[in-house]
Amino acid sequence: AQSVSQHNHHVILSEAASLELGCNYSYGGTVNLFWYVQYPGQHLQLLLKYFSGDPLVKGIKGFEAEFIKSKFSFNLRKPSVQWSDTAEYFCALDRGSTLGRLYFGRGTQLTVWP
Amino acid sequence: DTAVSQTPKYLVTQMGNDKSIKCEQNLGHDTMYWYKQDSKKFLKIMFSYNNKELIINETVPNRFSPKSPDKAHLNLHINSLELGDSAVYFCASSQVGDSGNTIYFGEGSWLTVV
Repeated sequence: AQSVSQHNHHVILSEAASLELGCNYSYGGTVNLFWYVQYPGQHLQLLLKYFSGDPLVKGIKGFEAEFIKSKFSFNLRKPSVQWSDTAEYFCALDRGSTLGRLYFGRGTQLTVWP
Repeated sequence: DTAVSQTPKYLVTQMGNDKSIKCEQNLGHDTMYWYKQDSKKFLKIMFSYNNKELIINETVPNRFSPKSPDKAHLNLHINSLELGDSAVYFCASSQVGDSGNTIYFGEGSWLTVV
């Protein structure tokens, strides 16, 4: 079975601090990896995704993530956070099949103080 | 125009009632989904339809019945609502075979059963 783990449940930062949110998965086969963001009261928006190729992927709003296959990790990073980044962040994987079933982590709540 | 739209956005109803949530996507995708987000913000797939055919049916009570009249619509009907059904229900869509099968989410329907 596959699973996605986000070990940080709640992260609190000051503006301009650097961010790294951890995501680990357990599945031995081909995976596609995603980070979604959910702002308060809103729907899920795709931040970035990894399918193949360069393991360092860049997304919207200055976010990036690095796929490290040997560590089964796909951590999300941003060099300098803003107050507007306050949201819930979800890591997810797709097993590379065409059925598009996403397996989500439990989410990490990021709070950025101005 | 909203790519994946669902109605209603908010729904408060009594136990035992029957209710429906409608979903429409204008992205031309051939696969649609219903995901449930519980009070702890955990997201889990409920159903997936590909070209109007049921593909994924997670262990969801049979009080939940999805209906797909065409590939642009996937409605969710819930019979005999229970308190535990209170959650946010997200409709989503994707194009099977699309690179990485990116899933696009609707804005969610907040269901409260009292």
